[in-house]
Amino acid sequence: GAVVSQHPSWVICKSGTSVKIECRSLDFQATTMFWYRQFPKQSLMLMATSNEGSKATYEQGVEKDKFLINHASLTLSTLTVTSAHPEDSSFYICSARIDRDYEQYFGPGTRLTVT
Amino acid sequence: GQNIDQPTEMTATEGAIVQINCTYQTSGFNGLFWYQQHAGEAPTFLSYNVLDGLEEKGRFSSFLSRSKGYSYLLLKELQMKDSASYLCAAMDSNYQLIWGAGTKLIIKP
Repeated sequence: GAVVSQHPSWVICKSGTSVKIECRSLDFQATTMFWYRQFPKQSLMLMATSNEGSKATYEQGVEKDKFLINHASLTLSTLTVTSAHPEDSSFYICSARIDRDYEQYFGPGTRLTVT
Repeated sequence: GQNIDQPTEMTATEGAIVQINCTYQTSGFNGLFWYQQHAGEAPTFLSYNVLDGLEEKGRFSSFLSRSKGYSYLLLKELQMKDSASYLCAAMDSNYQLIWGAGTKLIIKP
């Protein structure tokens, strides 16, 4: 149980275009979803926390207009990277949590390459 | 501020034992997590400690001392597949995870 999927698993896009990444909790309802970014050889960096039906809370330094997060239902959150640039190339990982349950369940990640 | 410290890299021999240490400072505390992450993959959950003491789970054990703000992950009978990064994360009073930079563990034959 507690499976989280992400789609796509990898994507290559041209500079200036937008990319949408989906995160789904397959067998549970996630009250909270988290979006992380990880650059090579670095640890996870939390970008934002989203609760179903409310606006996402962004971490300091993360542009909310560039990284649009929508948590439309208890099983789906989306991250849209708008006007992507090469420096946005990274590994994006989502995780989901049930209420105040201690564990976060991670998706497999999406590798974004912007050319 | 909130901070997690763990060594950047460690090397160990196949079949041996290795201990990865982690110290933390958080605003409130709701537990300490260890995750394993292989290159190019998402983290996978290893352990969770919220009370002092040692939790054993097969070849992996995790220890917590809340008074010292200290935890360690102990890996026994090391296998080549254990080569990975090990991430320490503390949950603060807002139930947010504060992540360490990860310890890259290199296993040599």
